[in-house]
Amino acid sequence: DAKTTQPTSMDCAEGRAANLPCNHSTISGNEYVYWYRQIHSQGPQYIIHGLKNNETNEMASLIITEDRKSSTLILPHATLRDTAVYYCIVRVGMNTGFQKLVFGTGTRLLVSP
Amino acid sequence: NAGVTQTPKFQVLKTGQSMTLQCAQDMNHEYMSWYRQDPGMGLRLIHYSVGAGITDQGEVPNGYNVSRSTTEDFPLRLLSAAPSQTSVYFCASSTSVLETQYFGPGTRLLVL
Repeated sequence: DAKTTQPTSMDCAEGRAANLPCNHSTISGNEYVYWYRQIHSQGPQYIIHGLKNNETNEMASLIITEDRKSSTLILPHATLRDTAVYYCIVRVGMNTGFQKLVFGTGTRLLVSP
Repeated sequence: NAGVTQTPKFQVLKTGQSMTLQCAQDMNHEYMSWYRQDPGMGLRLIHYSVGAGITDQGEVPNGYNVSRSTTEDFPLRLLSAAPSQTSVYFCASSTSVLETQYFGPGTRLLVL
């Protein structure tokens, strides 16, 4: 399975952009990159996903390098409520057709006033 | 919509006891799955279902059973709990195999 590597922790000032990097150098051509976050051990919350192109939604932007070996999640204006563990995930197809999410250990983002 | 719900929120078991973790969704999702999360780690897939009556094993299925008699419910059974099963359990669902998975709030299990 493709694995992801993320910094253990990052800090960000409130109101500034938070840029969370992720390496996934062994990703296969048809495997998607997903980002989820987990606040206070609640259930993981979906943020964004992409395959090749950069993506943007109301929560964040996802920048994927041309070789697809790394990506960056951007929270444009971080707030205190964005403090959470952020998981960069590769969605892997199983031989049964199911698509499982392969979680790493995540980045703990602390947003400070 | 309540989304994905899980009960109980917290449970303490003794080694050898059995119990069922409940998971329900009201979004008419065909795909449901169970993950476990151990301290400081990401989630790992236990079992999954692609529709009523169809289940299969994930990465860490040993010690767990599942069934899917209805679209809405996907219970996870521990037949004989072991301390190694102390973990937080999350249920997830999605409309199709390619769509986003939505997670429940989790069940925190402690096996003594």
